[in-house]
Amino acid sequence: SQTIHQWPATLVQPVGSPLSLECTVEGTSNPNLYWYRQAAGRGLQLLFYSVGIGQISSEVPQNLSASRPQDRQFILSSKKLLLSDSGFYLCAWKRTENTEAFFGQGTRLTVV
Amino acid sequence: GENVEQHPSTLSVQEGDSAVIKCTYSDSASNYFPWYKQELGKRPQLIIDIRSNVGEKKDQRIAVTLNKTAKHFSLHITETQPEDSAVYFCAAKREYKLSFGAGTTVTVRA
Repeated sequence: SQTIHQWPATLVQPVGSPLSLECTVEGTSNPNLYWYRQAAGRGLQLLFYSVGIGQISSEVPQNLSASRPQDRQFILSSKKLLLSDSGFYLCAWKRTENTEAFFGQGTRLTVV
Repeated sequence: GENVEQHPSTLSVQEGDSAVIKCTYSDSASNYFPWYKQELGKRPQLIIDIRSNVGEKKDQRIAVTLNKTAKHFSLHITETQPEDSAVYFCAAKREYKLSFGAGTTVTVRA
């Protein structure tokens, strides 16, 4: 069976510090990978998606970046965090076909 | 790009009544429309989905309808129960991109 791991679960970082959130998928190959952000009381904002190694599509210009160094690994990064980067970050994977997307447990990021 | 709008943002219903959430999408090439339920502090999970070649789909108390011409789709929950209280998200997929609506917070009053 397929599983998705996302860590850490919670993170408190000072303004201006770097960020690295990691997401890995097990039990499948060549998944489509996604990073979403959910601000308090808001919807799921698509940040990045990837259809293959090294292939990243950015949806929202901001100080975040994403990388996919391996087929089942998706990393969300920032060189310098802003207060507005606080939120609940969710990684997700799905197959190419029109089937369910599976979400990781999420990372609650608080920038102070 | 795809823009998914969802209404209402909050919905309060009496237990046993029906709840309806509506979404519109902008990209006519979108061909897959899932609905997710997110309980407090948990990850979103799929409750029902519909593909563009289908107009309606039902699973027990949950049903979804799709109008491709008007580019809108709706979630219907009948005989609501307290455990239906959650945030519900609609989404639309075009090729690889999966875009979500802003969510509807549903509260079922006992």
